[in-house]
Amino acid sequence: KNQVEQSPQSLIILEGKNCTLQCNYTVSPFSNLRWYKQDTGRGPVSLTIMTFSENTKSNGRYTATLDADTKQSSLHITASQLSDSASYICVVSASNYQLIWGAGTKLIIKP
Amino acid sequence: SAVISQKPSRDICQRGTSLTIQCQVDSQVTMMFWYRQQPGQSLTLIATANQGSEATYESGFVIDKFPISRPNLTFSTLTVSNMSPEDSSIYLCSVEGTSGRIRNEQFFGPGTRLTVL
Repeated sequence: KNQVEQSPQSLIILEGKNCTLQCNYTVSPFSNLRWYKQDTGRGPVSLTIMTFSENTKSNGRYTATLDADTKQSSLHITASQLSDSASYICVVSASNYQLIWGAGTKLIIKP
Repeated sequence: SAVISQKPSRDICQRGTSLTIQCQVDSQVTMMFWYRQQPGQSLTLIATANQGSEATYESGFVIDKFPISRPNLTFSTLTVSNMSPEDSSIYLCSVEGTSGRIRNEQFFGPGTRLTVL
């Protein structure tokens, strides 16, 4: 069964600190893995997309890694800001239009 | 990137009524997607709206409950019919980039927050 699991479910850190969010998946055939940021009451916004051959991709203070052998991905946030408070969702594409969504990690940044 | 707008942004409706949500994209796209996000949950795909043909529904969603129109390449509507409190959710319209740098990147509208009393 195609599944995407994220951990932790929620996380609270102090402003300026770093954090890492985890995503494990069992999706086949694998096409790409995406990380989205969703602010409360808004639609998700894409942070990164990685294909099978990519093992790291950065977008500003966000760095995503992908280990296709162990079927794991992580999203590392550096020097967190209050505006990073949001849900972060890992999504794996099994084909062009079949997306398997994780439940998300709710991140809260405290001043 | 694609700019997507949705109307209404939010609504409070009575049980048994219907609501039509509009989605407008600033560029022509082949496929548009409708998602539902229940409180505290991640997104669930309702259907894929294809221009010129009937929408393709995911398991658990039916056309009678969620009729979709796709009259052209920039516009789609989703109707939530005969609503019950269980339909209270955020409904999101989405499109996928098909060329160049934004290929496979999915863009989402701001969502429509629906509350059914």
